[in-house]
Amino acid sequence: DGGITQSPKYLFRKEGQNVTLSCEQNLNHDAMYWYRQDPGQGLRLIYYSQIVNDFQKGDIAEGYSVSREKKESFPLTVTSAQKNPTAFYLCASSTHRVGGYTFGSGTRLTVV
Amino acid sequence: DQQVKQNSPSLSVQEGRISILNCDYTNSMFDYFLWYKKYPAEGPTFLISISSIKDKNEDGRFTVFLNKSAKHLSLHIVPSQPGDSAVYFCAALLLVANAGNNRKLIWGLGTSLAVNP
Repeated sequence: DGGITQSPKYLFRKEGQNVTLSCEQNLNHDAMYWYRQDPGQGLRLIYYSQIVNDFQKGDIAEGYSVSREKKESFPLTVTSAQKNPTAFYLCASSTHRVGGYTFGSGTRLTVV
Repeated sequence: DQQVKQNSPSLSVQEGRISILNCDYTNSMFDYFLWYKKYPAEGPTFLISISSIKDKNEDGRFTVFLNKSAKHLSLHIVPSQPGDSAVYFCAALLLVANAGNNRKLIWGLGTSLAVNP
């Protein structure tokens, strides 16, 4: 079955440490996205990539970095520069079809 | 500035009755509007969409209405079922000018729907 896999589901890190969240898709989608969800904030776009080896900043990119070396993979690194990293992170991929976004099941990151 | 607004954070309805979730937007250039459903600790799943040139789209128990002059859309669920209890996000598709045919989703904050047995 095709889909998006995010791992791990829960992640704990100490303040000041970088952490990388994994996102893998086997849907052959060109575009991939990282969103962050906080209570009362909805979904906010961190980074997106339309094609391999290219990515663009979203609305809240500060303190995050990404890479897109393979079509299937779009890892997100939460750096120590991110002021409030504790959140629920969602990865998505899409076709150009309306409604063609597929989301992963998310990673809940807690920084202590 | 929130371009897509869902002003009701929560809604509670009785099983079998109609659920109406509302969404307002500010940008008249949006091409499509979409509704997503999200359960806790899961990613959103696509529910239904409507083109900006239409005023109604129906899919089973779900109907979306678009009023372009009022920049308002609504999702109707009839009849509501307990399994419909979830957070519903309204989203709008905006063509990204410098990105070929790529489109950017603008999300509302969501409305939490509780359907009571």
